[in-house]
Amino acid sequence: AQSVTQLGSHVSVSEGALVLLRCNYSSSVPPYLFWYVQYPNQGLQLLLKYTSAATLVKGINGFEAEFKKSETSFHLTKPSAHMSDAAEYFCAVSATFSGGYNKLIFGAGTRLAVHP
Amino acid sequence: GAGVSQSPSNKVTEKGKDVELRCDPISGHTALYWYRQRLGQGLEFLIYFQGNSAPDKSGLPSDRFSAERTGESVSTLTIQRTQQEDSAVYLCASSIDRGSNQPQHFGDGTRLSIL
Repeated sequence: AQSVTQLGSHVSVSEGALVLLRCNYSSSVPPYLFWYVQYPNQGLQLLLKYTSAATLVKGINGFEAEFKKSETSFHLTKPSAHMSDAAEYFCAVSATFSGGYNKLIFGAGTRLAVHP
Repeated sequence: GAGVSQSPSNKVTEKGKDVELRCDPISGHTALYWYRQRLGQGLEFLIYFQGNSAPDKSGLPSDRFSAERTGESVSTLTIQRTQQEDSAVYLCASSIDRGSNQPQHFGDGTRLSIL
């Protein structure tokens, strides 16, 4: 069964510093992976997705993620944090079920704080 | 609008009352999902619709919870005899089809508070 583990429920960085949010997945088949961001009092917004076309995926707002099969990881990075990046970030893997349908399995989330 | 729309955005009700939450998916999206997000926690899957059928209801926490969908459009999530532990944000998402590479697009949620 597919699953996702996000290491670190809270991450704090200084403005301008590197952002690294960790995600490890478990999947018996080649996975489709997603990163979402949730700002306060809003729904989830898609940052980027991995669908096997390229291992380095670029998303919105300067974020990118690298798929590493050997490490079963899909970590999210941004070279320089902005105050506006403070939010909750969710990693998700697409799980396929008998009956031919799919649904996303989400990690528990990582809250990113950015301080001046 | 172009996105997923949920209403009401906030709902406060007394314990024991019934509530109905509405989701308007993106036009043309055949797959629709409901999630629950308790304060400070991740997303808890509730139910999945493909068209107007629900192949996966495995996340509904009790028989007080039900959902329906009209064709490939509006869905309603109904909670009967609400309890305080039902307090949460209820998020709806839709995707163009059930393909595993399709992202889900989320509404802003309904924040439900049970007094």
